[in-house]
Amino acid sequence: SQKIEQNSEALNIQEGKTATLTCNYTNYSPAYLQWYRQDPGRGPVFLLLIRENEKEKRKERLKVTFDTTLKQSLFHVTASQPADSATYLCALDNTNAGKSTFGDGTTLTVKP
Amino acid sequence: DGGITQSPKYLFRKEGQNVTLSCEQNLNHDAMYWYRQDPGQGLRLIYYSQIVNDFQKGDIAEGYSVSREKKESFPLTVTSAQKNPTAFYLCASSVGGGSGQPQHFGDGTRLSIL
Repeated sequence: SQKIEQNSEALNIQEGKTATLTCNYTNYSPAYLQWYRQDPGRGPVFLLLIRENEKEKRKERLKVTFDTTLKQSLFHVTASQPADSATYLCALDNTNAGKSTFGDGTTLTVKP
Repeated sequence: DGGITQSPKYLFRKEGQNVTLSCEQNLNHDAMYWYRQDPGQGLRLIYYSQIVNDFQKGDIAEGYSVSREKKESFPLTVTSAQKNPTAFYLCASSVGGGSGQPQHFGDGTRLSIL
């Protein structure tokens, strides 16, 4: 069966460190992978999209990698700040699916 | 400001009652989506629409209905057939319905049973 797995537990790190979140999938062949941020009681906000033929994408302090052989994406937040504390969701898009499938999310807490 | 507006923010349903959640967007997006989110879980797709007057069932459509009569509006009705409706409901839109389209989300409606 198809499955998307993000870090099974919440991630707690110290301010200034790099947070690394994982998104593993099975029985998907995603053409695109997206990352979203969700704050409590709010809707998700789009952060980054990476295509299957791209290895890495960056946006300010954020970096995403996509390894279709390992069936894994890594999401890095460098020089983390308490304001980065949120739940981060990965979403997979198969080619021509017209819809995304979301993981359960990982809650990141950055402590001052 | 362009965006997606969901209303109401909180909604209470009595047993046997249908309720309708509103979703309006002024982004001129073709595609719209409804998701359900339960505590500590990700988003599960209920229905989606890639164009006006057309929509498809998502993964958990049973007990729900939608309409797409206008490009900017995609209301969701939670029917009495949905036995466990308590959840956080999120509406989203994207430029087109194809793959690789970032979605813009509203701030959700929290539905509870009285």
